[in-house]
Amino acid sequence: GIQVEQSPPDLILQEGANSTLRCNFSDSVNNLQWFHQNPWGQLINLFYIPSGTKQNGRLSATTVATERYSLLYISSSQTTDSGVYFCAVGVTWVGGTSYGKLTFGQGTILTVHP
Amino acid sequence: EAQVTQNPRYLITVTGKKLTVTCSQNMNHEYMSWYRQDPGLGLRQIYYSMNVEVTDKGDVPEGYKVSRKEKRNFPLILESPSPNQTSLYFCASSLRGRDTGELFFGEGSRLTVL
Repeated sequence: GIQVEQSPPDLILQEGANSTLRCNFSDSVNNLQWFHQNPWGQLINLFYIPSGTKQNGRLSATTVATERYSLLYISSSQTTDSGVYFCAVGVTWVGGTSYGKLTFGQGTILTVHP
Repeated sequence: EAQVTQNPRYLITVTGKKLTVTCSQNMNHEYMSWYRQDPGLGLRQIYYSMNVEVTDKGDVPEGYKVSRKEKRNFPLILESPSPNQTSLYFCASSLRGRDTGELFFGEGSRLTVL
């Protein structure tokens, strides 16, 4: 199966700092998503980004599918950004047929101090 | 409000006592999936369903059963729970299709098997 590696495993920031989280994957994919798990355990979808670049407020993401990696940028971090960030990848669409396997990385634990 | 609802949210049970965790979504999504989250292992896919009466195994299906008799419901069944199934379980759903695979998660069900 597809291997997914996220880095760094842990990240500690002061409020206001910027950060970059990375997701490497071992095979071609056409589904890649970033999630934030807050300290209460809720999983929130940040981006659906199998290729290209997207931005949503202080967060942006870029996926370079041909080089098998994706980056999540957090600018001007806030304490509410703390939690675990996961990427998930899969091949879920081939020639008009849908497939359902998604593989998650082990996550990056982000702690933002005030 | 668009949501994925899981029940129960917390459950303590004993080895061998059959239990069902329900999952329901109100977004008319074709795709539904179950994951378990364990410390250091991230999220691992148990089963998924591409549509009514269509289910398939994920990466860790042993000890679990699912059924998809209605589009909105996707229950997870533990016929004979064991302590190694103590975990945090998440249900998720999405539309199928090339550009519509954004995954929405329920709030999680924390299961303890004694």
